Amino acid sequence: NAGVTQTPKFQVLKTGQSMTLQCAQDMNHNSMYWYRQDPGMGLRLIYYSASEGTTDKGEVPNGYNVSRLNKREFSLRLESAAPSQTSVYFCASSELGSTWGNQPQHFGDGTRLSIL
Amino acid sequence: GQQVMQIPQYQHVQEGEDFTTYCNSSTTLSNIQWYKQRPGGHPVFLIQLVKSGEVKKQKRLTFQFGEAKKNSSLHITATQTTDVGTYFCFMTTDSWGKFQFGAGTQVVVTP
Repeated sequence: NAGVTQTPKFQVLKTGQSMTLQCAQDMNHNSMYWYRQDPGMGLRLIYYSASEGTTDKGEVPNGYNVSRLNKREFSLRLESAAPSQTSVYFCASSELGSTWGNQPQHFGDGTRLSIL
Repeated sequence: GQQVMQIPQYQHVQEGEDFTTYCNSSTTLSNIQWYKQRPGGHPVFLIQLVKSGEVKKQKRLTFQFGEAKKNSSLHITATQTTDVGTYFCFMTTDSWGKFQFGAGTQVVVTP
């Protein structure tokens, strides 16, 4: 049981390049999330998907797009990478509870992304 | 918008000492979760608090939800080197789509 799997683990991009971060979960969870983590700023929500077929913006969505491909997979795309997007990106999943945030989130190992 | 403050941002503790980290919200919370992230790792769920004044314990960790459901604390007794990491609170308000992580408390333990 792998839980939440993120690929790649590390990536270096040049400014202006594009790339997609992949995330898959095998826990049959309805909800999935993308966060970025920067020193001293905790985890900031980029986008989330309450259930298959829906996506919503989080706190810092600018410069990103997402696709909920199916129940298992939720990808994050950087169309034109900028140095300010250098960060560690975490994908997470959870059950869809009766209210938001009342189910534990399970995190992947993260993608460490550097943009030069 | 929802304002979340987690203090202290950094805590240096001698092994064997106790310490407490706090999360405060400007709005009433529906529930709060706590996570731990080891250096180089990913956040791992520790516990969830839902009821006003609720107290839960996990071995040397004591979690409390404030009576007004606007704040929470995590108290660690007799700190060990295995407690090293960053502790985050995750706060959810009663409104759909309103949830946020605190900035975290980074804990360093010296033997």
